[in-house]
Amino acid sequence: DAGVTQSPTHLIKTRGQQVTLRCSPKSGHDTVSWYQQALGQGPQFIFQYYEEEERQRGNFPDRFSGHQFPNYSSELNVNALLLGDSALYLCASSLSASGVWKGAQYFGPGTRLLVL
Amino acid sequence: AQSVSQHNHHVILSEAASLELGCNYSYGGTVNLFWYVQYPGQHLQLLLKYFSGDPLVKGIKGFEAEFIKSKFSFNLRKPSVQWSDTAEYFCASYNTDKLIFGTGTRLQVFP
Repeated sequence: DAGVTQSPTHLIKTRGQQVTLRCSPKSGHDTVSWYQQALGQGPQFIFQYYEEEERQRGNFPDRFSGHQFPNYSSELNVNALLLGDSALYLCASSLSASGVWKGAQYFGPGTRLLVL
Repeated sequence: AQSVSQHNHHVILSEAASLELGCNYSYGGTVNLFWYVQYPGQHLQLLLKYFSGDPLVKGIKGFEAEFIKSKFSFNLRKPSVQWSDTAEYFCASYNTDKLIFGTGTRLQVFP
């Protein structure tokens, strides 16, 4: 039973470029959440996707967008990259029908993005 | 806005010492609280959770946490730490489909 997988593991971009990060949820999970973890900080919620729609969004600009596919996998897109976007981007999956257990999310290993 | 704060940023202990990591949350309504752990080079994983009922919850690897509603606290404890407990520990609350994390506590355990 594969857990949450993310690709790529590392990425280097320059300011102004665009990046796409990918996530496959744990088998059986239908909800994907994305988090940004800056160095020395806790993960910050970006948004959550369920049934191919953005269900909840954190305090991130519109440069951050996402998508969920029919197979529940998800993409995070960041446009017009800034130096401050350098961080570890985490994907987490859960099952929407699990009620309060939705907080018990399964995290992937993350994609480390460096913006130069 | 809902928030979670962790008082200890870096804790250094010797093996067999007792551990207590502080966590306070700001939300005054129903709370769903979690402790996650990130071992070096590994992904975040769930250590324990509190939804309701017995305020003393037990998790994996001998960890436990106590929910004290009057103090808005959910402190993590372990009676005797091991070198393998070296990791970053995050307290989190769950509300309206998102996890709110604290800034984390780095625990270093020396043999």
